[in-house]
Amino acid sequence: GQQLNQSPQSMFIQEGEDVSMNCTSSSIFNTWLWYKQDPGEGPVLLIALYKAGELTSNGRLTAQFGITRKDSFLNISASIPSDVGIYFCAGPGAYNTDKLIFGTGTRLQVFP
Amino acid sequence: SQTIHQWPATLVQPVGSPLSLECTVEGTSNPNLYWYRQAAGRGLQLLFYSVGIGQISSEVPQNLSASRPQDRQFILSSKKLLLSDSGFYLCAWSAALDIGNQPQHFGDGTRLSIL
Repeated sequence: GQQLNQSPQSMFIQEGEDVSMNCTSSSIFNTWLWYKQDPGEGPVLLIALYKAGELTSNGRLTAQFGITRKDSFLNISASIPSDVGIYFCAGPGAYNTDKLIFGTGTRLQVFP
Repeated sequence: SQTIHQWPATLVQPVGSPLSLECTVEGTSNPNLYWYRQAAGRGLQLLFYSVGIGQISSEVPQNLSASRPQDRQFILSSKKLLLSDSGFYLCAWSAALDIGNQPQHFGDGTRLSIL
């Protein structure tokens, strides 16, 4: 079945550093979604991408829909302590777009 | 604007006891509704989803069940809880539009501990 692999699995960075993470698949996705989950809470949608090559920003966050449609990237600039959490990519299943396939997650820790 | 509510926020139950978790959505009609489970430090596992009243699709065999008695209400139940049912349960909704590819929006979750 379809799978989304995220890397790195975890990151430990210092406040102020930039962060890059990615999400890859062996199959094509028509939509890429990026979520952030704070500890003990539900995931919150950060950015939605609908077109190959699309680059979208949300404050200090920038995400790109890979041109091959098999990957997506999320960058966070000038990280701050509240960026701590787990970041998930997701996309609709090829055979049932009512369901989302979620990535394995990237856990981000930011040290002051 | 649309909102999603889950309760309770935390629950501690003995093995073998029944379970009922409730999720309601406001501000939208005929949403798709979802139940996920998340083990500590892990990803999201889809348990059930529903595209309409009384329509439930089960993703994994287990001793849990789901029901959708009203358009914007989704209930997760069990007759007898197992230790392995412990986890963080998340409800989500998405708009059911013909174009598909609609993002899902999550509730705050219920942390279930089985003793």
